[in-house]
Formats: sequence, structure tokens, C-alpha cells
Amino acid sequence: AQSVTQLDSQVPVFEEAPVELRCNYSSSVSVYLFWYVQYPNQGLQLLLKYLSGSTLVKGINGFEAEFNKSQTSFHLRKPSVHISDTAEYFCAVSNSGGYQKVTFGTGTKLQVIP
Amino acid sequence: EAGVAQSPRYKIIEKRQSVAFWCNPISGHATLYWYQQILGQGPKLLIQFQNNGVVDDSQLPKDRFSAERLKGVDSTLKIQPAKLEDSAVYLCASSFSSLAEKETQYFGPGTRLLVL
Repeated sequence: AQSVTQLDSQVPVFEEAPVELRCNYSSSVSVYLFWYVQYPNQGLQLLLKYLSGSTLVKGINGFEAEFNKSQTSFHLRKPSVHISDTAEYFCAVSNSGGYQKVTFGTGTKLQVIP
Repeated sequence: EAGVAQSPRYKIIEKRQSVAFWCNPISGHATLYWYQQILGQGPKLLIQFQNNGVVDDSQLPKDRFSAERLKGVDSTLKIQPAKLEDSAVYLCASSFSSLAEKETQYFGPGTRLLVL
């Protein structure tokens, strides 16, 4: 079984400040890792994903995440946030074989303060 | 390219009533997913189709929930009878294939259900 933990339910941050959203996962097999963003009243949109190779993954809107196998983490970062980044962010894990089964975390609400 | 379409966007019903949601995936996507997202939680997979066959429905409450994808394109999710705890956003997603586990899922805007 696989699981995802997002410890921070809400993260307030001032505009133009850096932000890190934390994600830890648990799995007995190799995994793929994802970050999705959900804007109000919209569906989820893929920000970035880690499949293999370089542990630093760059995504859309200036976000990046680093896969750390020893710490089983996949934290999301942005060096300077904008008001438009206000949204809910979900970390997700998928098995790396067979039919894709994605498990989502409980989400972190990023509130960018002007 | 058109995205995943869902309807209705909002629905309010009383408990014990029935309700149905519709999803039209991105053209050419063989895999379709239905998720339930309860307020304050992440999406939970209810059922996954590969074409018109069910791949995974292990978390679908089969005593009240049903889903079909008869022609391998559109899908409907039904709840009968609804309970208060079914209040949630129901998300539909599609991907080109689920056999290629690296495939990205594309999500629709969701249907927000309130059961009174």
C-alpha cells in the first residue's frame, strides 16, 4: 500500500517571498510522484512529476520539486510567489508498474498575501 | 484540444434521492477515472475504466454507487440512494492509457454535490 502525507494544511506567505510545501510518501515499491494544483472551483492540473532520472524536477509556473529517496520526500518549492499562486496543492504517488493507481495527499492551501 | 467535460456542475438533493453525473473525456483517451473529493481531503479513486472495462473499483461503495462506460467514451456515475456523507465534489479524469503508468491524468472541473 502507498500513502502520502502533507503535514501543512495551510501555508500563508507574502507575495514575492519563497515557499516550500512539504510532502512525504510511503510505499513498499518504486513510485512515481506528482504535484497537482487546484484553483477555486476547478479541477486538478498537473504541476510536475518525477518518474526517474534527475531528482530535481521543474514544472509549470516556476515551481520545482526535489525527490529525496532516503527521506521519502518530494517537497515543492517556488523562489518567489505571486498572488495568482493562491490555490490548493496536492501531492500524489503512483505505483511504477501495472495499471496506474494514484493516491493523493490531503492537500495544502497556499494563501499568498499581498 | 477540448478538456474533460462534466455535468452538472452543481447538484443539491435530499437524502435517499438518486443522482447521476456525466463525464466526457478528452478525445482518444482510453482511460477514465472517477474520484470523490470530500471537503478538506484529497481525491479518492472510486472507479477506473480502461475503454469500457473496469480496471479498479475496489473503493466504490457498490451498494449505492454504480458507474458505466458503455461505448468506451462517455461515462455516468450514479448514486442511489444518496446519504449525507456523499456530499463531495466528484471529479472525472482521463488519460491516454493507464497501461503506460507515466501517463498524465487530465481532470474535469468536477460536480459539487450537496445532500440535505
